[in-house]
Amino acid sequence: NAGVTQTPKFRVLKTGQSMTLLCAQDMNHEYMYWYRQDPGMGLRLIHYSVGEGTTAKGEVPDGYNVSRLKKQNFLLGLESAAPSQTSVYFCASSYGISSYEQYFGPGTRLTVT
Amino acid sequence: GNSVTQMEGPVTLSEEAFLTINCTYTATGYPSLFWYVQYPGEGLQLLLKATKADDKGSNKGFEATYRKETTSFHLEKGSVQVSDSAVYFCALILTPRNNNDMRFGAGTRLTVKP
Repeated sequence: NAGVTQTPKFRVLKTGQSMTLLCAQDMNHEYMYWYRQDPGMGLRLIHYSVGEGTTAKGEVPDGYNVSRLKKQNFLLGLESAAPSQTSVYFCASSYGISSYEQYFGPGTRLTVT
Repeated sequence: GNSVTQMEGPVTLSEEAFLTINCTYTATGYPSLFWYVQYPGEGLQLLLKATKADDKGSNKGFEATYRKETTSFHLEKGSVQVSDSAVYFCALILTPRNNNDMRFGAGTRLTVKP
């Protein structure tokens, strides 16, 4: 039981490049989330999904897109990376309604130059 | 809006010292409150939670009491260990039936020295 895994762990992009971050969970959770963590700002929700085939915007969605084609996977895409997107990205999952605990992956450190 | 404010770190303590990390919140309703811990190189893990006023959450020797009158949820531990070195996040969910709206504090880094 791996829990929540994220790939890659580190990535450096040039401004304007695109990339996709992959999150996978093996706990059969309905809900999945993408957060970014910036110094002094805690975690902020980018997008989330309440089930396979559904996505919704969080607090800071601009510049990102997501897809949830399979229940166990949640992809975060950056179509045209900007230096402001330099951050640590965390994926999380939870059972859903009435379940408060979110299970987090180890994070992806992204640098955009 | 709904938000969480934590004491700024970093906090450095000697082993067996008493720990307090302050957390206050602003919310338009009745939130559930959480402390998450992030060990080096890992994702966040739920440490403890409280879902209504006067509830006390506890785990691994850590405690926090939901104080509605002071809108606070301070984290305490009587005797810290080196293994407690981590970043601690206070968080809230305003809508218990829909946990897509979790708000986190900025985090407080704790270092415990032997």
